[in-house]
Amino acid sequence: AQSVTQLDSHVSVSEGTPVLLRCNYSSSYSPSLFWYVQHPNKGLQLLLKYTSAATLVKGINGFEAEFKKSETSFHLTKPSAHMSDAAEYFCVVSDRPEYGNKLVFGAGTILRVKS
Amino acid sequence: DAMVIQNPRYQVTQFGKPVTLSCSQTLNHNVMYWYQQKSSQAPKLLFHYYDKDFNNEADTPDNFQSRRPNTSFCFLDIRSPGLGDAAMYLCATSRETGVGGQFFGPGTRLTVL
Repeated sequence: AQSVTQLDSHVSVSEGTPVLLRCNYSSSYSPSLFWYVQHPNKGLQLLLKYTSAATLVKGINGFEAEFKKSETSFHLTKPSAHMSDAAEYFCVVSDRPEYGNKLVFGAGTILRVKS
Repeated sequence: DAMVIQNPRYQVTQFGKPVTLSCSQTLNHNVMYWYQQKSSQAPKLLFHYYDKDFNNEADTPDNFQSRRPNTSFCFLDIRSPGLGDAAMYLCATSRETGVGGQFFGPGTRLTVL
């Protein structure tokens, strides 16, 4: 079965400094991986996705993630944090299509951006 | 713009009083999902529809039901809400392969008094 581990429950950065949110996954086959962002009392917004094409994936709002099969990692990065990036981020792996394309969520990482 | 819409955004109900949450989509996706998200937790899948085929998660309580009258609409019915059912309820859609990810609505915040 697929699983996702987000290594930090909370990350705090200063505005203008780099962001790194760490994610490791476990999958018995070639997975689809996603990062979603959720602002307070809002739905989830898809930031980016990896679906077996380029290993470096660029998303919205300047975020990107690199798929590293050897390390089973899919860390999310951004060169310069903005106050509006403060939110909760979920790393997600997609289960196999024959199981209904279910999403397996990590526990989430809350990103705090200090001014 | 193509999107997933949930109504209402905030719903207050009384203990034991049935409530229905609504989701509609203009993406023409054939898979629709309902999630429950409690405070400081990841979303938890309740069930999903693959076209008209209903797929219930094994641990979803019988108190939760769903209807999908057509491709665009899906409803979540809570027959007898308890205090523990207070949560954010998220609707999502995807294409049948799911490769492109799921697209989420803004959610309905349910309060049970």
